[in-house]
Amino acid sequence: EDQVTQSPEALRLQEGESSSLNCSYTVSGLRGLFWYRQDPGKGPEFLFTLYSAGEEKEKERLKATLTKKESFLHITAPKPEDSATYLCAVQEGDYKLSFGAGTTVTVRA
Amino acid sequence: DVKVTQSSRYLVKRTGEKVFLECVQDMDHENMFWYRQDPGLGLRLIYFSYDVKMKEKGDIPEGYSVSREKKERFSLILESASTNQTSMYLCASSADRYEQYFGPGTRLTVT
Repeated sequence: EDQVTQSPEALRLQEGESSSLNCSYTVSGLRGLFWYRQDPGKGPEFLFTLYSAGEEKEKERLKATLTKKESFLHITAPKPEDSATYLCAVQEGDYKLSFGAGTTVTVRA
Repeated sequence: DVKVTQSSRYLVKRTGEKVFLECVQDMDHENMFWYRQDPGLGLRLIYFSYDVKMKEKGDIPEGYSVSREKKERFSLILESASTNQTSMYLCASSADRYEQYFGPGTRLTVT
């Protein structure tokens, strides 16, 4: 049973067209929820950690929010350089992360 | 900034060969991890280590072993490489129970 589900699988945006990515999770006792960005052929790059419902984090055009069942990554006025796959992961125990399959975002100029 | 380096970006090996993938981190992190990433399957944890000489199996340890003799270095070993081990291998490290930082990845092809 999947613990982390990301939607949509792919998202095509026009430059400046804001949108949101969803990460829903079913773990109990969430220790942390993490967002990563991954460019083709590279390792994931850490973006945010969220620990409790209601928490929000921002970085440039990205804003991550957390509820008890899901997290959203909002992309405001995206640019072509925001094109990447965005991964969500949850930590339930001390060390292990469970990753979602990712959302591939393509931003056209 | 955290830096995690992996010994090779690309590697081609033959079936049955013993393969070593090495990972080094420079932030004195306690925890180190090995994942593989395949299209449609996402990142899957192979092994992790929370201290020198300590190791724990992840979700898919079969066909792999690991070694951690020094805090900064974590090696993944494929005892006898097989074609189904063709994949992107990613190493990560973390301090205590916080976010993991990833290396650039090694794309391994087994022919």
